[in-house]
Amino acid sequence: GAGVSQSPSNKVTEKGKDVELRCDPISGHTALYWYRQSLGQGLEFLIYFQGNSAPDKSGLPSDRFSAERTGGSVSTLTIQRTQQEDSAVYLCASSPHWDPAQDTQYFGPGTRLTVL
Amino acid sequence: AQSVAQPEDQVNVAEGNPLTVKCTYSVSGNPYLFWYVQYPNRGLQFLLKYITGDNLVKGSYGFEAEFNKSQTSFHLKKPSALVSDSALYFCAVRVFFHSGGGADGLTFGKGTHLIIQP
Repeated sequence: GAGVSQSPSNKVTEKGKDVELRCDPISGHTALYWYRQSLGQGLEFLIYFQGNSAPDKSGLPSDRFSAERTGGSVSTLTIQRTQQEDSAVYLCASSPHWDPAQDTQYFGPGTRLTVL
Repeated sequence: AQSVAQPEDQVNVAEGNPLTVKCTYSVSGNPYLFWYVQYPNRGLQFLLKYITGDNLVKGSYGFEAEFNKSQTSFHLKKPSALVSDSALYFCAVRVFFHSGGGADGLTFGKGTHLIIQP
């Protein structure tokens, strides 16, 4: 079956612009996660959704970052007024259930964001 | 807060030899432990996980990992390495906090480059 898909695969933007990254999870998966992978910071957890709800947004790096999920499916991660330190690969994962005992996260290929 | 340590940036193994990629963790609470593999320009692929029960967990591609609570370790192993096993391996931990109902995502180690030499 289809895995997690993300778009765009690559995004180059200028400092100060807004960007929107999209994630399509595996059909039927109720939990959705966003991570960031960069050389300096490794893999960082950003936010997760349980259905359409994000119980904890404290992992987002700054208030320029926001995320939403609608219809229990597609999610978008928005970065406003991008900065060069936002350059990274943004990974999305989905899981059949948010409960850790039943959680296996399947990752998408990522969106490589470059801020010039 | 939880943390994961992968003490080796790189592990070199000859093809056909056994391999071990080390991982130790620090959590308050019961850990749920995972191994993922990342091939160049590809996303993370799930290998195996430990939730509870048997300390030896078997996963994809002939990999296995042993949970050791006293040593807080979850080392990844394979009896006979293949050149195609060369990749970046990540250990990760997750803990569920009952109070407040929230649950964090995975906390990853820095990753270990596994290089299998022909």
